[in-house]
Amino acid sequence: ETGVTQSPTHLIKTRGQQVTLRCSSQSGHNTVSWYQQALGQGPQFIFQYYREEENGRGNFPPRFSGLQFPNYSSELNVNALELDDSALYLCASSRGGGASDTEAFFGQGTRLTVV
Amino acid sequence: AQSVTQLDSQVPVFEEAPVELRCNYSSSVSVYLFWYVQYPNQGLQLLLKYLSGSTLVKGINGFEAEFNKSQTSFHLRKPSVHISDTAEYFCAVRLLNAGKSTFGDGTTLTVKP
Repeated sequence: ETGVTQSPTHLIKTRGQQVTLRCSSQSGHNTVSWYQQALGQGPQFIFQYYREEENGRGNFPPRFSGLQFPNYSSELNVNALELDDSALYLCASSRGGGASDTEAFFGQGTRLTVV
Repeated sequence: AQSVTQLDSQVPVFEEAPVELRCNYSSSVSVYLFWYVQYPNQGLQLLLKYLSGSTLVKGINGFEAEFNKSQTSFHLRKPSVHISDTAEYFCAVRLLNAGKSTFGDGTTLTVKP
């Protein structure tokens, strides 16, 4: 148990719809990173939030957006869903602060299926 | 930019045999190095990490890894595997001042009785 909680665990959406995934970070952590893991691949970095501000973004289109709240929990929003968005979405929390950010703790993930 | 190459996509091994999962990385700056394990339908669990200091790092479940700067490698080893070690293993690198981790494509370790 890492203390990082993601909801929902599974989700089925139709192409073109919008989805919101949620992540509660571990106590004492102020940084949340989101990753997309397609079947048979390693996780790909989507973006990171540090103290409610976006703090780095990977190669994902603008229809992938996020938020971080004052309690450091976070949301990942995906608009205009495409079939290729089907994946396991992982959230990771850490302490942030540059060189002191040495380890991220991952949640169990949300399995999104787009049909 | 950083990249990670896991040299074997699948490693089958018999129970109680030793195993090595290979990982090479590319980076123009210093990085932290990690190995994670992922069981079916679960998130990632940290096995071990290299931040600095001794190049031989010991982790959980009897795993260890050796950082080789000249060969830019971070291979994972276990002297005697168990059936329960069957899982997907990911090598990852992370910049010292950034939270983004770059992962390899994973190695499926299958331990056979």
